[in-house]
Amino acid sequence: GQQVMQIPQYQHVQEGEDFTTYCNSSTTLSNIQWYKQRPGGHPVFLIQLVKSGEVKKQKRLTFQFGEAKKNSSLHITATQTTDVGTYFCAGSWGKLQFGAGTQVVVTP
Amino acid sequence: DSGVTQTPKHLITATGQRVTLRCSPRSGDLSVYWYQQSLDQGLQFLIQYYNGEERAKGNILERFSAQQFPDLHSELNLSSLELGDSALYFCASSVVGADTDTQYFGPGTRLTVL
Repeated sequence: GQQVMQIPQYQHVQEGEDFTTYCNSSTTLSNIQWYKQRPGGHPVFLIQLVKSGEVKKQKRLTFQFGEAKKNSSLHITATQTTDVGTYFCAGSWGKLQFGAGTQVVVTP
Repeated sequence: DSGVTQTPKHLITATGQRVTLRCSPRSGDLSVYWYQQSLDQGLQFLIQYYNGEERAKGNILERFSAQQFPDLHSELNLSSLELGDSALYFCASSVVGADTDTQYFGPGTRLTVL
């Protein structure tokens, strides 16, 4: 069935470094959302991308939707300890489906 | 605080038992979703309701059932519990249940089956 794949599953980052997490689909998505879940917390909505090639920024976070609307990425610059958590993408073909998430660990 | 409330926060029970998890959506939201999150796992979609009617079904076991009441709160019933049902159960709500809606998650109910 249709699903979104997230890579990597785990990401260990040194504080101050940049990293990128990816979300891929085999079929074209109508939109994609990103959520963040802090350790011990619940998922919190970050952003939604709808247009092909769309790029949105939130401070140190940059979100991109691929031209073919089959993939998306989240790039974090100058990682901080507050970036710790699991980042989920959720793609939609009419129904929103969450990926397995990228668990981010930040080393001071 | 998302505005979504879930009770109880923690639940410990034995295999074979039945439990009910409760969720109150954000004020004004008509749609409720239930998710299961096992240890270090992603969010497994169980079921969605919109204004009292079932709208979408995911990987929900036959032992599990849910409903949304006229006041829009929802309950997830888990019966004949097994060890593998131990997980965090999240409820989320959205305005109209469209795929472009933002989903607002509650704090979750942690279920432990012994």
